[in-house]
Amino acid sequence: KAGVTQTPRYLIKTRGQQVTLSCSPISGHRSVSWYQQTPGQGLQFLFEYFSETQRNKGNFPGRFSGRQFSNSRSEMNVSTLELGDSALYLCASSLVRTGYEQYFGPGTRLTVT
Amino acid sequence: GENVEQHPSTLSVQEGDSAVIKCTYSDSASNYFPWYKQELGKRPQLIIDIRSNVGEKKDQRIAVTLNKTAKHFSLHITETQPEDSAVYFCAAWQTGNQFYFGTGTSLTVIP
Repeated sequence: KAGVTQTPRYLIKTRGQQVTLSCSPISGHRSVSWYQQTPGQGLQFLFEYFSETQRNKGNFPGRFSGRQFSNSRSEMNVSTLELGDSALYLCASSLVRTGYEQYFGPGTRLTVT
Repeated sequence: GENVEQHPSTLSVQEGDSAVIKCTYSDSASNYFPWYKQELGKRPQLIIDIRSNVGEKKDQRIAVTLNKTAKHFSLHITETQPEDSAVYFCAAWQTGNQFYFGTGTSLTVIP
């Protein structure tokens, strides 16, 4: 089976812009979670989607949003980018709800200038 | 919410020695504890996990132990090899909730 894929892999944006990141889970996996990884904060949970519904949300401002499509692919959007949003954004998929084995994608490296 | 603390933040061992990384959690309702290995520039990879109804789990040179009473779990790597050098993350999860990750341990195995 193909692993979790994310596009794009690298992105450079300017403050104030918005960005959309995409995640394709492992075939058959229905749960997708998103994480922000920074050197100082480690892995921070953004949100989890299962069956096109957001099931959990982390402690991030409303500028961070996401959605999941009927084929389980997921997108996350960040509006009004700030310098502090520069990070590696990882998505992870699991067969059912989180609490089972989670498999990570390679991440999207976002740089905000 | 849950709080996961991970120690040490950095660890250096000689090749062939053992390495131990410990995590503590705060919420006794947490019932699933995975460990991830992240090599430089790579994605985190699940290496071993344990559920709260089990005290220990082993997979070749890697083992995880769980002490529910003390609310801590540990990763043990025996006979370390240079390819074990990476950042290791622990996490805790409870039903209906999210994963909470530790801040990571950078392990260096010195040949």
